[in-house]
Amino acid sequence: SQTIHQWPATLVQPVGSPLSLECTVEGTSNPNLYWYRQAAGRGLQLLFYSVGIGQISSEVPQNLSASRPQDRQFILSSKKLLLSDSGFYLCAARLSGNTIYFGEGSWLTVV
Amino acid sequence: GENVEQHPSTLSVQEGDSAVIKCTYSDSASNYFPWYKQELGKRPQLIIDIRSNVGEKKDQRIAVTLNKTAKHFSLHITETQPEDSAVYFCAASMVGRGADGLTFGKGTHLIIQP
Repeated sequence: SQTIHQWPATLVQPVGSPLSLECTVEGTSNPNLYWYRQAAGRGLQLLFYSVGIGQISSEVPQNLSASRPQDRQFILSSKKLLLSDSGFYLCAARLSGNTIYFGEGSWLTVV
Repeated sequence: GENVEQHPSTLSVQEGDSAVIKCTYSDSASNYFPWYKQELGKRPQLIIDIRSNVGEKKDQRIAVTLNKTAKHFSLHITETQPEDSAVYFCAASMVGRGADGLTFGKGTHLIIQP
């Protein structure tokens, strides 16, 4: 079966601290991978996407970065978090056909 | 790039009635239109999708219609039930272009009144 694992599920980080969210995908090879952010009560904003190892495209300028060190691993990082980085972060993958599926999400609160 | 508008932002209906959510898109090259349901604190879940080569698709109480000429598509939920309460997102993408990422509407909070 095809599964998207995302962790940690919840984290509270102080302003200026680093961030690392990890996403792994099972059951498929060379998937397109995505990071979305959802601010409280708002829509889904595409942050990064990747079509292969080491290939990252950014949709919006920000203090976040993404990396894809392995085919089925996608990491979202920041060197110094801002209060405005708080939100619900979702990893997503195109696993079969045209359908994009989401991981369970990571709640980030920057304090 | 693609722009997706979704209306209404909030929709309240009586249990058993029908609910309709509408979206428009800007890029005539978009050819794939999924709908996601998101319950509070959880990830969006795909509930139905439609491709540009069909005008309508139905799955039990849920149906989606697509008007390519007008560039709009709609979600129809009949015989609404309390468990239908959630935020619904429409999205659009062009399969075969770049990473095929989805552009989402801002969501509709559907409230089913008992």
